[in-house]
Amino acid sequence: QLQLQESGPGLVKPSETLSLTCTVSGDSISNSIYYWGWIRQPPGKGLEWIGSVSYRGSAFFNPSLGSRLSISVDTSKNQFSLRLSSVTAADTAVYYCARYVRFSDWFGPWGQGTLVLVSS
Amino acid sequence: QSALTQPPSASGSPGQSVTISCTGTSSDVGGYNFVSWYQQHPGKIPKLMIYEVTKRPSGVPDRFSGSKSGNTASLTVSGLQAEDEADYYCSSYAGSDTFVFGTGTKVTVL
Repeated sequence: QLQLQESGPGLVKPSETLSLTCTVSGDSISNSIYYWGWIRQPPGKGLEWIGSVSYRGSAFFNPSLGSRLSISVDTSKNQFSLRLSSVTAADTAVYYCARYVRFSDWFGPWGQGTLVLVSS
Repeated sequence: QSALTQPPSASGSPGQSVTISCTGTSSDVGGYNFVSWYQQHPGKIPKLMIYEVTKRPSGVPDRFSGSKSGNTASLTVSGLQAEDEADYYCSSYAGSDTFVFGTGTKVTVL
């Protein structure tokens, strides 16, 4: 059974870089019919797609996050990672990783999510 | 890329039906038949309820149905049950391997 698990610091200072890793277990990340995505949800608010990456490393980003964002993949570790620079309090959210099913365009399964608080 | 528009809330009595709208543009909802719906209970992860506008994943009750007309997609929950009380989010493919979620609707079972 495919499972995803986010890991990374739960507290990041303003202006610093938020870094999270998603470890995939139960199947190989190297499958061209899937992308691997990040979604976030600020406390009490809705879901926001952050971006997705293919196993070959092609990445696609939410334009609203601009150049602050980078997403990478490490097939040897069956992991993919998110880096968001110059964070502010507005980046405080639960961050989810999830598999994205291409050509059908839905996310699942999802990781359990990790809360990242941006605060000094 | 703007979030898809959903009503903030919807409600119905047990056994009744409730329909949630999801309005986008011709660049997302109207341009592709790749609308999906997620149910999220408080403190839980989102659960896929509908994909490709009308398809239900295995295990999702047939009380949940989806449709689309133009730039607006809809989720209908028939025969409302207490466990259907949750937040619902639509989403759509938006071209060039990008994706957009809706603003979310809180469904209350009266």
